[in-house]
Amino acid sequence: DAGVTQSPTHLIKTRGQQVTLRCSPKSGHDTVSWYQQALGQGPQFIFQYYEEEERQRGNFPDRFSGHQFPNYSSELNVNALLLGDSALYLCASSSRVETEAFFGQGTRLTVV
Amino acid sequence: GENVEQHPSTLSVQEGDSAVIKCTYSDSASNYFPWYKQELGKGPQLIIDIRSNVGEKKDQRIAVTLNKTAKHFSLHITETQPEDSAVYFCAASKGSVSGGSYIPTFGRGTSLIVHP
Repeated sequence: DAGVTQSPTHLIKTRGQQVTLRCSPKSGHDTVSWYQQALGQGPQFIFQYYEEEERQRGNFPDRFSGHQFPNYSSELNVNALLLGDSALYLCASSSRVETEAFFGQGTRLTVV
Repeated sequence: GENVEQHPSTLSVQEGDSAVIKCTYSDSASNYFPWYKQELGKGPQLIIDIRSNVGEKKDQRIAVTLNKTAKHFSLHITETQPEDSAVYFCAASKGSVSGGSYIPTFGRGTSLIVHP
């Protein structure tokens, strides 16, 4: 089992650009959550997808959007990048019958 | 919303000593409290969790305690080893007993350094 995989591992973008990050959940999981982790901070919840719909959302602007595909994989899109969007973006997968969430290794986004 | 405070931010111990990390939460409805270990360049990994209907849980060298009245929970690591060095996060969440809807709110993390 490959666990939760994220791509790319590192990314450098220019302010104002758009970025798409990808996540494949652990086998058997149908729920994907995205988190932003700034340096020296705990992960902050962005949103959660289940059955291809956004089910819950944290305190993030509409510039952050997502999608879940029929195979349960997910994308996180960020528009109009700001310098403050530089962070480690984590994807976590879970299932509706289990509590434990498994995290991927994250995508390190640097906005210059 | 939920607010989780975690202390200390840095903890330095000698190999073999015990380490204790403490957290408080604000939402009395929270009922699931996971602890994560994050090593450099990796995502958080669940190491132990506790539910609100349990006061203590132990797994080998790791134990967690929960005081619902005081809204405190703690992580205890005994006989620390250099490989325990990492950042540890506590989290609090609420959801249905059947799971799936848990959205943990994380503390700011504790950097544990175990000196050989």
